[in-house]
Amino acid sequence: DGGITQSPKYLFRKEGQNVTLSCEQNLNHDAMYWYRQDPGQGLRLIYYSQIVNDFQKGDIAEGYSVSREKKESFPLTVTSAQKNPTAFYLCASSGTVLMNTEAFFGQGTRLTVV
Amino acid sequence: RKEVEQDPGPFNVPEGATVAFNCTYSNSASQSFFWYRQDCRKEPKLLMSVYSSGNEDGRFTAQLNRASQYISLLIRDSKLSDSATYLCVVNPKAAGNKLTFGGGTRVLVKP
Repeated sequence: DGGITQSPKYLFRKEGQNVTLSCEQNLNHDAMYWYRQDPGQGLRLIYYSQIVNDFQKGDIAEGYSVSREKKESFPLTVTSAQKNPTAFYLCASSGTVLMNTEAFFGQGTRLTVV
Repeated sequence: RKEVEQDPGPFNVPEGATVAFNCTYSNSASQSFFWYRQDCRKEPKLLMSVYSSGNEDGRFTAQLNRASQYISLLIRDSKLSDSATYLCVVNPKAAGNKLTFGGGTRVLVKP
């Protein structure tokens, strides 16, 4: 089945630790995104990548890092520099660089930092 | 001004009634528009794309008004299961993808 997979679904970390969230897609999509959602709020763009080996900062990139070494994978690292990392993280992918298409989402990762 | 704006609601709708809400966007060069539905603590799921001519899918109708830079979603004969947050999504670039989400409009359908 084609789709986009995030893991883990729930993640607990101690304050000050870096943590990496996984996102994999087998939809052959060029573009991938990471969003953060806080309770009762909308989605805010952290990073996005339109093609392998390239990515751009979104609106709230501080304290986060990404890599795009493979088309299928776009992992997000939440660093200790992120002041308030507890949130719901959503990964999405969409079409190609030249064609605007809708985004498909993974099921999300709920990160809790204690 | 935010790139994509929505009335957060909630819109309290009697079962069987019609509800409509809009989403405004700031970039006049925006090319693609979508409505997503998000249930509590779940990922957003595509409800429908929005085409220039307007489109309908069952009880749902989406419209695009380029002159005033907004899209709309109308839900007819509301069901209890329509209760959700509806997210407006705009791609502001002519080519390439940088999907930008509105904050969402919460709809509560009540018996």
